[in-house]
Amino acid sequence: GQNIDQPTEMTATEGAIVQINCTYQTSGFNGLFWYQQHAGEAPTFLSYNVLDGLEEKGRFSSFLSRSKGYSYLLLKELQMKDSASYLCAVRRRMDSSYKLIFGSGTRLLVRP
Amino acid sequence: EADIYQTPRYLVIGTGKKITLECSQTMGHDKMYWYQQDPGMELHLIHYSYGVNSTEKGDLSSESTVSRIRTEHFPLTLESARPSHTSQYLCASSEYGEEAEAFFGQGTRLTVV
Repeated sequence: GQNIDQPTEMTATEGAIVQINCTYQTSGFNGLFWYQQHAGEAPTFLSYNVLDGLEEKGRFSSFLSRSKGYSYLLLKELQMKDSASYLCAVRRRMDSSYKLIFGSGTRLLVRP
Repeated sequence: EADIYQTPRYLVIGTGKKITLECSQTMGHDKMYWYQQDPGMELHLIHYSYGVNSTEKGDLSSESTVSRIRTEHFPLTLESARPSHTSQYLCASSEYGEEAEAFFGQGTRLTVV
């Protein structure tokens, strides 16, 4: 089976740093994605990790530890527009095919 | 900017009607997906396809069906809509490859009354 866990909600202050954690249990792990989704809109791609370590992309960084089944998304210099849901998604390899499975998402509220 | 389109964006329809949600992408992606998402809830994979004439059921059981006759087109059909089908339906596509992210359409918000 598979299980992806994220905190339901987080609150942070404009200009601060926030870390959103994601833990997963799955067979056939083949990469972890982070997506941002504003209310009523489609998810948009933020980052991808398949090897252990940190991937940095501007204000956003994502970390993966495969042995621990753990990832986090780090958002620096928070802006009001960063208020959104952040979705952790695991790609699972099954025979010759792949499936992308999403967690329930973390709603981030950025306050002035 | 991703070139994947869903129509309609919003649909209100009566119980028992047959509906088809359209999804088209112009990126030549072989892989396409349908997700169902209730407000504030997670995305559930209901159908996916790895190319023409390939369709598979996802993790969440759904009474809908899909077809993939052309690479760019992946419509979803409900033969007889019910209020329990009220939800947002998101279509996505991706290339093959290790780092291929999924691009999402804007979604169809379906309400069955």
